Amino acid sequence: EAGVAQSPRYKIIEKRQSVAFWCNPISGHATLYWYQQILGQGPKLLIQFQNNGVVDDSQLPKDRFSAERLKGVDSTLKIQPAKLEDSAVYLCASSPSGLNEQYFGPGTRLTVT
Amino acid sequence: GENVEQHPSTLSVQEGDSAVIKCTYSDSASNYFPWYKQELGKGPQLIIDIRSNVGEKKDQRIAVTLNKTAKHFSLHITETQPEDSAVYFCAARYSTLTFGKGTMLLVSP
Repeated sequence: EAGVAQSPRYKIIEKRQSVAFWCNPISGHATLYWYQQILGQGPKLLIQFQNNGVVDDSQLPKDRFSAERLKGVDSTLKIQPAKLEDSAVYLCASSPSGLNEQYFGPGTRLTVT
Repeated sequence: GENVEQHPSTLSVQEGDSAVIKCTYSDSASNYFPWYKQELGKGPQLIIDIRSNVGEKKDQRIAVTLNKTAKHFSLHITETQPEDSAVYFCAARYSTLTFGKGTMLLVSP
C-alpha cells in the first residue's frame, strides 16, 4: 500500500513570497490533516478535512494560510505572504476516519529567508 | 485545549538497556494516546497506541501504560538497539491530536 505522498520535499523562499504544498493521502482515507512542525517541537495541527469538508481549522492563521481539498482526495496548503516564522516542516497525514490512527507523509521543509 | 508534557527531552542509553519516556495530559476527556517515532528527514511513524479503556499494551519490545486517574502515560522500550535511536513523540486526543515536544533517544552500541 502506497503511503502519503507530499511535494515538494524542500522549498526555500524569501519573506512575502507565496508557496504551495501538495499532498496525496493513502487511497480510501477520508480524513486528511495538515500539521506544522517547528524545529525541536511536536507537530501542531493546522487543519483537518473529512472528505472535502473542513472539520477543524481553529489553529490555521487564516490571514495568510489557506487549504483546500476540492475532490476529497488531494489537498493543497498555501502560504501567502510568507513570514520568517513560517520556516518549518509541513506534514500531511491521513486516516480512514477521524477516529483512526494517522499516517504521516515525509513532509515539506520550508525555509523562509 | 489539551496540553501534553513529555519528559525527558533527551535520553541516552547503552544498547540492551531499557528506555522509558513519560507524558502527562491535561484534558480528562482524551481517550486515545499514540506514540510516534520520527527519524531524521522523515515523517512521524506510529509505533504503538492505547485507548482509554485499556491500562497496558505490548508489542514485542515496546509497551505503553496508561494511568487515567493521574492523566499520564509512558512508553517502555526494552533491549534497546542502535536503530531505536530517533525522536519519539507522545500525543493525546479527544477530538484532535495534541503532541508533546518529543524525546531524542540515543542508543549507543
